[in-house]
Amino acid sequence: SQELEQSPQSLIVQEGKNLTINCTSSKTLYGLYWYKQKYGEGLIFLMMLQKGGEEKSHEKITAKLDEKKQQSSLHITASQPSHAGIYLCGADIAGTASKLTFGTGTRLQVTL
Amino acid sequence: GAVVSQHPSWVICKSGTSVKIECRSLDFQATTMFWYRQFPKQSLMLMATSNEGSKATYEQGVEKDKFLINHASLTLSTLTVTSAHPEDSSFYICSAQGQGVLAQHFGDGTRLSIL
Repeated sequence: SQELEQSPQSLIVQEGKNLTINCTSSKTLYGLYWYKQKYGEGLIFLMMLQKGGEEKSHEKITAKLDEKKQQSSLHITASQPSHAGIYLCGADIAGTASKLTFGTGTRLQVTL
Repeated sequence: GAVVSQHPSWVICKSGTSVKIECRSLDFQATTMFWYRQFPKQSLMLMATSNEGSKATYEQGVEKDKFLINHASLTLSTLTVTSAHPEDSSFYICSAQGQGVLAQHFGDGTRLSIL
């Protein structure tokens, strides 16, 4: 079974709509990292969360880590075509501050 | 800041050839570099972790004699796929982490096709 579950697996939203992607673990998340990947390319670092209840925002993207540090959400407000891609959460579940376990990814399409 | 360059971006070669992929941190010192493999529509699978000046730590199931990793400097790590076969065809991505750079930053990946 996957140590890090992401939902939904894929998402199609109309431009301008809001959306949320979730990342859930059965283990404590010592660090949670959100990345965006375009098909066939590398990962772009979005945000890092470490403390329970932490919330960070960058432009129209907000990421939160719950108090128990076992779930994170990524929220995009007023989606644009440029937001399309694959969103991956990566987590430090061993407490090493180094090795990451990645979720299965959420494929986002934004329609006009 | 925290730019990672990976080269080449695409390689096509014959079975039996050895292929070297380079990963460079351009604006920070990477004390740790990671090598991942990604299959189509799947997530990243960590292959190995390398710390500058020491031997790489390979994940279970990854052949260290097949995938040679060298991290000789704080800005360069290389992955050599030795005697590559069609089943080694995949997308390989490196990432780097270093002083003042807690999050892993990724290269653009290398698509390897073995004929």
